[in-house]
Amino acid sequence: GDSVTQMEGPVTLSEEAFLTINCTYTATGYPSLFWYVQYPGEGLQLLLKATKADDKGSNKGFEATYRKETTSFHLEKGSVQVSDSAVYFCALSDRGTGGFKTIFGAGTRLFVKA
Amino acid sequence: EAQVTQNPRYLITVTGKKLTVTCSQNMNHEYMSWYRQDPGLGLRQIYYSMNVEVTDKGDVPEGYKVSRKEKRNFPLILESPSPNQTSLYFCASSYYGTHQETQYFGPGTRLLVL
Repeated sequence: GDSVTQMEGPVTLSEEAFLTINCTYTATGYPSLFWYVQYPGEGLQLLLKATKADDKGSNKGFEATYRKETTSFHLEKGSVQVSDSAVYFCALSDRGTGGFKTIFGAGTRLFVKA
Repeated sequence: EAQVTQNPRYLITVTGKKLTVTCSQNMNHEYMSWYRQDPGLGLRQIYYSMNVEVTDKGDVPEGYKVSRKEKRNFPLILESPSPNQTSLYFCASSYYGTHQETQYFGPGTRLLVL
């Protein structure tokens, strides 16, 4: 079945450091890929998405490129801020015959120190 | 304001006592879904619904029931809760169309089953 694997955390960085959170997936179809972010005590919210191979999603300085050849969707940001501290989830949505399921990775907690 | 609401936000109950967690959205979304979040496991899909009276199982449906009698509401029912259903639960909704699977999440319901 479909699955999502993302790097374990926590990840601790200093402010202005470069961030990479790795995400790889397996899917039988042609899924859409997502990064969601969860701030403390809140629900998840969409950070960015890509719907087909080679698409690049971007938002708030974060970027991720849908790489079909390596089945990856790594999240990057050039210069993190303390306010980026949160849990980040990689996810895929794959349409089946009756609807679509969404599969989430286990989440990666990011701590950014001032 | 576009939103997904869940009630209650916190719930402590005892084994075997039936409970319902409500979920409502005001965005006229066709698709709604329930997830549970557990440490190290990310979010796992319990049930989802593509439209009124159309529901299907996710990855972890055992011990749960859902219904979709109205488009805006998607309650989660635990007929006989057990301690292994202690978790953080999220409801989400989205449009149901190709590449429109961005989901909007509620604030979460933290459930403790004693």
